[in-house]
Amino acid sequence: DAGVIQSPRHEVTEMGQEVTLRCKPISGHDYLFWYRQTMMRGLELLIYFNNNVPIDDSGMPEDRFSAKMPNASFSTLKIQPSEPRDSAVYFCASSFGYPLRGGPYNEQFFGPGTRLTVL
Amino acid sequence: RKEVEQDPGPFNVPEGATVAFNCTYSNSASQSFFWYRQDCRKEPKLLMSVYSSGNEDGRFTAQLNRASQYISLLIRDSKLSDSATYLCVVTSNMDTGRRALTFGSGTRLQVQP
Repeated sequence: DAGVIQSPRHEVTEMGQEVTLRCKPISGHDYLFWYRQTMMRGLELLIYFNNNVPIDDSGMPEDRFSAKMPNASFSTLKIQPSEPRDSAVYFCASSFGYPLRGGPYNEQFFGPGTRLTVL
Repeated sequence: RKEVEQDPGPFNVPEGATVAFNCTYSNSASQSFFWYRQDCRKEPKLLMSVYSSGNEDGRFTAQLNRASQYISLLIRDSKLSDSATYLCVVTSNMDTGRRALTFGSGTRLQVQP
């Protein structure tokens, strides 16, 4: 299995531009999570989906952020318009079941991340 | 107070040393606990779950203290390859009925030759 795939791996853009981050979860996983990691705030959960349906988006910082999951094998996180404070590493993760027990059950697998720089 | 707190370190220890990290959580109704490992500029990976009775995986031992609301990770016989940031993760049921999944900010370990 290829694991969770994210693209692009690096993105440099200018303030005000639209940014779209992409994620392909592991086949068969029914949960998908989007995280943001910065030095100041650590790893923050932005939103998660179950069977392509957004369950909790309370971590999305503001209306400039939106996420979709049109099918079981693809999700996007969009920032429009982007701002310098959005610069961070954005991780996508997937799991089979909500991560309650860990180990061989419900383990979250993270993608390699997208390093976003907004100038 | 943060929901999940960790000492950021760094913990600098010599090879072969034993080192322990703690992680405190604020929600007494928290359900599940994990330790993740994150190497520099890489994604987090699950190291081990933390069970109520405590559990061990090779050189790693995880414990949960519900009364004092903390989890711990003990690493024995440290190797250079253990150098990484260790993140604790807590899942909780919220008043809204939704679940929260919260990562600590991580403790950095540097094992030196």
